[in-house]
Amino acid sequence: GAGVSQSPSNKVTEKGKDVELRCDPISGHTALYWYRQSLGQGLEFLIYFQGNSAPDKSGLPSDRFSAERTGGSVSTLTIQRTQQEDSAVYLCASSLGPYTDTQYFGPGTRLTVL
Amino acid sequence: KQEVTQIPAALSVPEGENLVLNCSFTDSAIYNLQWFRQDPGKGLTSLLLIQSSQREQTSGRLNASLDKSSGRSTLYIAASQPGDSATYLCAVSNFNKFYFGSGTKLNVKP
Repeated sequence: GAGVSQSPSNKVTEKGKDVELRCDPISGHTALYWYRQSLGQGLEFLIYFQGNSAPDKSGLPSDRFSAERTGGSVSTLTIQRTQQEDSAVYLCASSLGPYTDTQYFGPGTRLTVL
Repeated sequence: KQEVTQIPAALSVPEGENLVLNCSFTDSAIYNLQWFRQDPGKGLTSLLLIQSSQREQTSGRLNASLDKSSGRSTLYIAASQPGDSATYLCAVSNFNKFYFGSGTKLNVKP
């Protein structure tokens, strides 16, 4: 594809529901990243995949958050039992390789938990 | 834990001025440093990527320098234009994690 795509672009959910956010990286990019940007806050790193593996999951805010990547391509970020503090824009990025390559960002998913 | 700080938080300049944005980080064991711009309601666009072994990178009117030992980077914008108005973010990577500063919001007045 031309760039990183994310779906949905907006998601409104009720407290306690589970949500799934999807990221389609640029074709051929082996590295994929998830970030969170809360209102008025900076970007918070959540998790990084090299291929289908995440070397370090300690950036995930709580055990309600999980992420997976399949086929070295699409990734999903799942938030279980959503809380109001989970409301944020969730950004995904991909790069050709890890560390040394430019990250290209998707437009984000705006999550609102009522 | 790595801490990334950007100064100033906001900057307003008249068109045509040269300006410098600053980024500092606490842990010098980084793999690279990247500068991004973020336009309101939009995603991030990468501007420059400096590897840990490099001292600077240039793209058009932009020049970014890196002094790893002192934990500092600067982004120099020459002959600023209203279209440069955005929030500029720096980010460093180390040990499978990535850390962003809180950004400098730049307004270039016509």
